[in-house]
Amino acid sequence: DIQMTQSPSSLSASVGDTITITCRASQNISRWLAWYQQKPEKAPKSLIYVASSLQSGVPLRFSGSGSGTDFTLTISSLQPEDFATYYCQQYNSYPLTFGGGTKVEIK
Amino acid sequence: QVQLVESGGGLVQPGRSLRLSCAASGFTFSTYAFHWVRQAPGRGLEWITVISNDGTNKFYAASVKGRFTISRDNSKKTLYLQMNSLRVEDTAVYYCARGTTVLPIYWGQGALVTVSS
Repeated sequence: DIQMTQSPSSLSASVGDTITITCRASQNISRWLAWYQQKPEKAPKSLIYVASSLQSGVPLRFSGSGSGTDFTLTISSLQPEDFATYYCQQYNSYPLTFGGGTKVEIK
Repeated sequence: QVQLVESGGGLVQPGRSLRLSCAASGFTFSTYAFHWVRQAPGRGLEWITVISNDGTNKFYAASVKGRFTISRDNSKKTLYLQMNSLRVEDTAVYYCARGTTVLPIYWGQGALVTVSS
Protein backbone atom coordinates (compact mmCIF):
# COMPACT_ATOMS: atom_id res chain seq x y z
CA ASP A 1 0.00 0.00 0.00
CA ILE A 2 1.13 3.56 -0.65
CA GLN A 3 1.61 5.52 2.56
CA MET A 4 0.79 9.23 2.56
CA THR A 5 2.49 11.44 5.12
CA GLN A 6 1.31 14.98 5.75
CA SER A 7 3.16 17.71 7.60
CA PRO A 8 2.63 19.51 9.77
CA SER A 9 -0.17 17.72 11.59
CA SER A 10 -1.43 21.09 12.78
CA LEU A 11 -0.60 24.73 12.37
CA SER A 12 -1.80 28.08 13.65
CA ALA A 13 -2.19 31.00 11.31
CA SER A 14 -3.90 34.36 11.04
CA VAL A 15 -6.40 35.66 8.54
CA GLY A 16 -4.46 36.96 5.55
CA ASP A 17 -1.50 34.60 6.01
CA THR A 18 -0.21 32.26 3.33
CA ILE A 19 0.24 28.67 4.46
CA THR A 20 1.70 25.56 2.89
CA ILE A 21 0.89 21.94 3.71
CA THR A 22 3.13 19.13 2.53
CA CYS A 23 2.16 15.61 1.51
CA ARG A 24 4.70 12.90 0.76
CA ALA A 25 3.96 9.56 -0.88
CA SER A 26 5.93 6.42 -0.05
CA GLN A 27 6.40 5.76 -3.77
CA ASN A 28 6.04 7.57 -7.07
CA ILE A 29 2.39 8.45 -7.73
CA SER A 30 3.02 10.74 -10.72
CA ARG A 31 0.41 13.49 -10.28
CA TRP A 32 -2.40 11.28 -9.03
CA LEU A 33 -3.03 13.31 -5.91
CA ALA A 34 -6.11 15.03 -4.53
CA TRP A 35 -6.73 17.43 -1.65
CA TYR A 36 -9.82 17.68 0.54
CA GLN A 37 -11.05 20.14 3.13
CA GLN A 38 -13.10 19.02 6.12
CA LYS A 39 -14.77 21.26 8.67
CA PRO A 40 -15.88 19.92 12.05
CA GLU A 41 -18.89 17.60 11.88
CA LYS A 42 -19.08 18.04 8.11
CA ALA A 43 -18.32 15.86 5.12
CA PRO A 44 -15.05 16.37 3.27
CA LYS A 45 -15.08 18.68 0.28
CA SER A 46 -12.95 18.03 -2.79
CA LEU A 47 -10.57 20.90 -3.54
CA ILE A 48 -7.89 19.74 -5.97
CA TYR A 49 -7.23 16.78 -8.27
CA VAL A 50 -4.32 15.75 -10.47
CA ALA A 51 -2.13 17.60 -8.01
CA SER A 52 -2.96 21.10 -9.18
CA SER A 53 -6.39 21.28 -10.86
CA LEU A 54 -9.06 23.08 -8.86
CA GLN A 55 -12.49 21.57 -8.56
CA SER A 56 -15.30 23.78 -9.80
CA GLY A 57 -16.13 26.57 -7.37
CA VAL A 58 -12.93 26.34 -5.33
CA PRO A 59 -11.42 29.80 -4.75
CA LEU A 60 -8.23 30.68 -6.59
CA ARG A 61 -6.38 31.27 -3.32
CA PHE A 62 -6.06 27.48 -3.15
CA SER A 63 -3.28 25.97 -5.22
CA GLY A 64 -1.54 22.63 -5.45
CA SER A 65 1.77 21.54 -6.86
CA GLY A 66 4.14 18.62 -7.03
CA SER A 67 4.69 15.32 -8.75
CA GLY A 68 6.30 12.00 -7.99
CA THR A 69 6.41 11.77 -4.22
CA ASP A 70 6.29 15.36 -2.96
CA PHE A 71 3.26 17.63 -3.09
CA THR A 72 2.09 20.86 -1.53
CA LEU A 73 -1.18 22.62 -0.90
CA THR A 74 -0.90 26.39 -0.57
CA ILE A 75 -3.61 28.69 0.68
CA SER A 76 -2.92 32.34 -0.01
CA SER A 77 -4.54 35.10 2.00
CA LEU A 78 -6.18 32.76 4.48
CA GLN A 79 -9.86 33.48 5.06
CA PRO A 80 -11.95 32.70 8.17
CA GLU A 81 -13.77 29.93 6.31
CA ASP A 82 -10.46 28.20 5.50
CA PHE A 83 -9.86 27.07 9.07
CA ALA A 84 -10.40 23.35 8.75
CA THR A 85 -8.57 20.05 8.40
CA TYR A 86 -6.96 19.22 5.06
CA TYR A 87 -6.26 15.75 3.71
CA CYS A 88 -4.28 14.55 0.74
CA GLN A 89 -5.20 11.33 -1.08
CA GLN A 90 -3.35 9.29 -3.65
CA TYR A 91 -5.17 7.59 -6.48
CA ASN A 92 -2.28 6.01 -8.31
CA SER A 93 -3.31 2.55 -7.12
CA TYR A 94 -5.67 0.68 -4.85
CA PRO A 95 -6.16 0.82 -2.00
CA LEU A 96 -6.73 4.54 -2.18
CA THR A 97 -4.98 6.10 0.80
CA PHE A 98 -5.23 9.38 2.65
CA GLY A 99 -2.72 11.38 4.58
CA GLY A 100 -3.26 11.81 8.30
CA GLY A 101 -4.59 15.34 7.96
CA THR A 102 -3.42 18.85 8.77
CA LYS A 103 -5.54 20.94 11.09
CA VAL A 104 -5.36 24.66 10.35
CA GLU A 105 -6.31 26.68 13.41
CA ILE A 106 -6.72 30.37 14.08
CA LYS A 107 -3.80 32.00 15.82
CA GLN B 1 -29.22 19.76 -6.80
CA VAL B 2 -26.93 16.84 -6.08
CA GLN B 3 -27.90 14.97 -2.93
CA LEU B 4 -26.47 11.88 -1.29
CA VAL B 5 -28.26 10.75 1.85
CA GLU B 6 -26.86 7.90 3.90
CA SER B 7 -29.08 5.85 6.20
CA GLY B 8 -29.01 2.62 8.15
CA GLY B 9 -26.43 3.51 10.74
CA GLY B 10 -26.81 2.83 14.43
CA LEU B 11 -25.63 0.78 17.38
CA VAL B 12 -24.82 -2.86 16.71
CA GLN B 13 -23.12 -5.60 18.72
CA PRO B 14 -19.79 -7.07 17.65
CA GLY B 15 -20.20 -9.93 15.21
CA ARG B 16 -23.55 -8.71 13.92
CA SER B 17 -24.46 -7.22 10.54
CA LEU B 18 -25.70 -3.88 9.29
CA ARG B 19 -26.54 -2.50 5.86
CA LEU B 20 -26.00 1.12 4.95
CA SER B 21 -27.83 2.80 2.10
CA CYS B 22 -26.98 5.94 0.17
CA ALA B 23 -29.89 7.43 -1.75
CA ALA B 24 -28.95 9.70 -4.62
CA SER B 25 -30.87 12.43 -6.38
CA GLY B 26 -30.28 15.38 -8.67
CA PHE B 27 -28.04 13.63 -11.20
CA THR B 28 -27.80 10.56 -13.43
CA PHE B 29 -26.86 7.91 -10.88
CA SER B 30 -25.80 5.25 -13.38
CA THR B 31 -22.99 7.33 -14.89
CA TYR B 32 -20.89 7.57 -11.75
CA ALA B 33 -18.72 5.33 -9.62
CA PHE B 34 -19.28 5.42 -5.89
CA HIS B 35 -17.07 5.01 -2.86
CA TRP B 36 -17.50 4.37 0.83
CA VAL B 37 -15.02 6.17 3.05
CA ARG B 38 -15.10 6.02 6.83
CA GLN B 39 -13.80 8.14 9.68
CA ALA B 40 -13.37 6.76 13.18
CA PRO B 41 -14.12 9.21 16.00
CA GLY B 42 -11.39 11.84 16.14
CA ARG B 43 -9.39 10.13 13.39
CA GLY B 44 -8.61 10.63 9.73
CA LEU B 45 -10.24 9.34 6.57
CA GLU B 46 -10.04 5.70 5.53
CA TRP B 47 -11.13 4.57 2.07
CA ILE B 48 -12.84 1.20 2.20
CA THR B 49 -14.44 0.36 -1.15
CA VAL B 50 -15.50 1.50 -4.62
CA ILE B 51 -17.95 0.26 -7.24
CA SER B 52 -17.93 1.17 -10.92
CA ASN B 53 -20.90 2.82 -12.60
CA ASP B 54 -22.29 -0.46 -13.90
CA GLY B 55 -21.42 -2.47 -10.81
CA THR B 56 -19.00 -4.79 -12.57
CA ASN B 57 -15.83 -3.60 -10.85
CA LYS B 58 -15.36 -3.46 -7.10
CA PHE B 59 -12.30 -2.94 -4.94
CA TYR B 60 -11.90 -3.19 -1.18
CA ALA B 61 -9.46 -2.19 1.53
CA ALA B 62 -7.83 -5.11 3.28
CA SER B 63 -9.45 -4.09 6.57
CA VAL B 64 -12.94 -4.91 5.25
CA LYS B 65 -12.35 -7.40 2.44
CA GLY B 66 -14.39 -10.54 2.96
CA ARG B 67 -16.65 -8.86 5.53
CA PHE B 68 -18.10 -5.87 3.66
CA THR B 69 -19.85 -5.88 0.27
CA ILE B 70 -20.59 -2.86 -1.87
CA SER B 71 -23.48 -2.96 -4.31
CA ARG B 72 -25.78 -0.64 -6.19
CA ASP B 73 -29.23 -0.57 -7.71
CA ASN B 74 -29.21 1.86 -10.60
CA SER B 75 -32.98 1.62 -11.00
CA LYS B 76 -33.42 2.80 -7.41
CA LYS B 77 -30.50 5.26 -7.53
CA THR B 78 -29.19 3.71 -4.35
CA LEU B 79 -25.78 2.54 -3.17
CA TYR B 80 -25.39 -0.07 -0.44
CA LEU B 81 -22.77 -1.29 1.99
CA GLN B 82 -23.46 -4.65 3.57
CA MET B 83 -21.31 -4.97 6.69
CA ASN B 84 -20.95 -8.40 8.27
CA SER B 85 -18.92 -9.67 11.22
CA LEU B 86 -18.68 -6.16 12.60
CA ARG B 87 -15.85 -5.31 14.97
CA VAL B 88 -15.43 -2.58 17.56
CA GLU B 89 -12.82 -1.01 15.28
CA ASP B 90 -15.43 -0.57 12.54
CA THR B 91 -17.01 2.17 14.63
CA ALA B 92 -16.97 5.27 12.42
CA VAL B 93 -18.92 7.74 10.37
CA TYR B 94 -19.43 6.16 6.96
CA TYR B 95 -19.57 8.49 3.97
CA CYS B 96 -20.73 7.60 0.49
CA ALA B 97 -19.13 9.63 -2.26
CA ARG B 98 -19.78 10.06 -5.96
CA GLY B 99 -16.87 10.29 -8.34
CA THR B 100 -14.67 8.33 -10.67
CA THR B 101 -13.40 4.84 -9.87
CA VAL B 102 -10.35 6.35 -8.22
CA LEU B 103 -11.52 9.71 -6.94
CA PRO B 104 -14.34 10.41 -4.47
CA ILE B 105 -15.54 13.89 -5.34
CA TYR B 106 -18.96 14.70 -3.93
CA TRP B 107 -19.66 13.35 -0.44
CA GLY B 108 -22.81 12.65 1.51
CA GLN B 109 -23.27 13.85 5.08
CA GLY B 110 -22.35 10.49 6.62
CA ALA B 111 -23.94 7.84 8.81
CA LEU B 112 -22.62 6.86 12.23
CA VAL B 113 -22.06 3.19 12.93
CA THR B 114 -21.23 2.23 16.50
CA VAL B 115 -20.11 -1.32 17.22
CA SER B 116 -20.30 -2.06 20.92
CA SER B 117 -21.60 -4.66 23.30
